[in-house]
Parts: sequence; C-alpha cells; structure tokens
Amino acid sequence: AQSVAQPEDQVNVAEGNPLTVKCTYSVSGNPYLFWYVQYPNRGLQFLLKYITGDNLVKGSYGFEAEFNKSQTSFHLKKPSALVSDSALYFCAVRDEGDNQGGKLIFGQGTELSVKP
Amino acid sequence: DGGITQSPKYLFRKEGQNVTLSCEQNLNHDAMYWYRQDPGQGLRLIYYSQIVNDFQKGDIAEGYSVSREKKESFPLTVTSAQKNPTAFYLCASSMGGSGYKRNIQYFGAGTRLSVL
Repeated sequence: AQSVAQPEDQVNVAEGNPLTVKCTYSVSGNPYLFWYVQYPNRGLQFLLKYITGDNLVKGSYGFEAEFNKSQTSFHLKKPSALVSDSALYFCAVRDEGDNQGGKLIFGQGTELSVKP
Repeated sequence: DGGITQSPKYLFRKEGQNVTLSCEQNLNHDAMYWYRQDPGQGLRLIYYSQIVNDFQKGDIAEGYSVSREKKESFPLTVTSAQKNPTAFYLCASSMGGSGYKRNIQYFGAGTRLSVL
C-alpha cells in the first residue's frame, strides 16, 4: 500500500539556522514526490516536486529537497530559516503505477516553528 | 490559492441537514479533487474527477456526494449520512493529459464545516 510518513509532528529551529523536515514514503512503482506548505486557515501552497532526474530539487522560497531512493526519503531543507517559514508542511507522493486517478497520498504534516 | 475559489469560508450544519460546498476553478484544469483535513491526520481524498461528467470515489466517500456538470465546477455535498462532518475541506485541481500523475495539484483556500 502507498504511504507517506513524516516522523516529526513539530520541528523547532532558531532563525538563521538550517532546517530539515523529514519525509519517507512507500510505493510499489516509481514515486512522484511533492512538498506543500499550509498557513493557518489557508489552502496548501506547492513548494517543489521530484519526478525524475537530479536528486536535489530546488523550489520556492529557498527550499530544496533531496530524493534518496535507497532510503525512500524526500527530506525538505533550507540553509537558513526565517520566522516567516513557520507553518505546517506536508509531504505527498503519487505512485507512477497507480490507477486511481493519480491521487496524492499525504503525510500527517509537520509543524515548523522558527523562533527569532 | 489563485484560480480556485471555495465558498463559503465557514459553514454550519444542523443535524439531519445536507450542505453543499462550492469549488470553482478558472485554470482550465481537467482534474478536480476534494480532500478532508483533520488535525494530525493529513489530507484524505473524498472524491475526484478527471473529466466532465465523470467522478470516482476516494478513500472516504461515504456520506458525501459530488457532481461534475461543468469543467470549472466540482461541488461537494455533505449529506446527513456523514456522522462526523466537522473538518476543513479542501478542493484542488490539476492539468490532465497523458502525464497527469506528474502534474501539480493547486488548492483552494478551504471551507471549514462545523456542526451546530
């Protein structure tokens, strides 16, 4: 079965420090991986995706993510955190072989808190 | 949230009542999706539609119904059969075509439904 795990409910980082939000996945075929961010009472905003090619993907607002096939991981990273990065982050996966309309499978979310 | 409009922003349902959540998109996307968000559970797929006049059940379709009579509209009805409807509901859309699984899903701002 397809699944996504975000092992940390909350990540706390000081402003200016690097941040990492972890994500691991399980699919039967090749994965298509996505990161979204959600601010309070708002919809999800797309940050970046991995489809194929370079394992390091760069996205919006200085975020990047590294695809690691052997560890089935797709961790989100940023070299220097900002207070405005504080939000709820979701990792999501699609299975290339999925025949269910290409639905996204979401992790449970990780709350990122960046303190001044 | 640009391009996808959800209304109303807040909705209250009385016991035994059906309520309808609106989702309209002007992105000319073929595919549309409805997700339910509960705290700590990520997003779960309710229904999806890949083309006008066709839709499929997602993981938690019981107690919900949809229609797709127009490309730009995908309303969700929460019926009285849904015993625990209190949640944040998110509508999304994406491009279709042969590579649809690679496409980004774009989200609306959401509707928060509560039971009176």
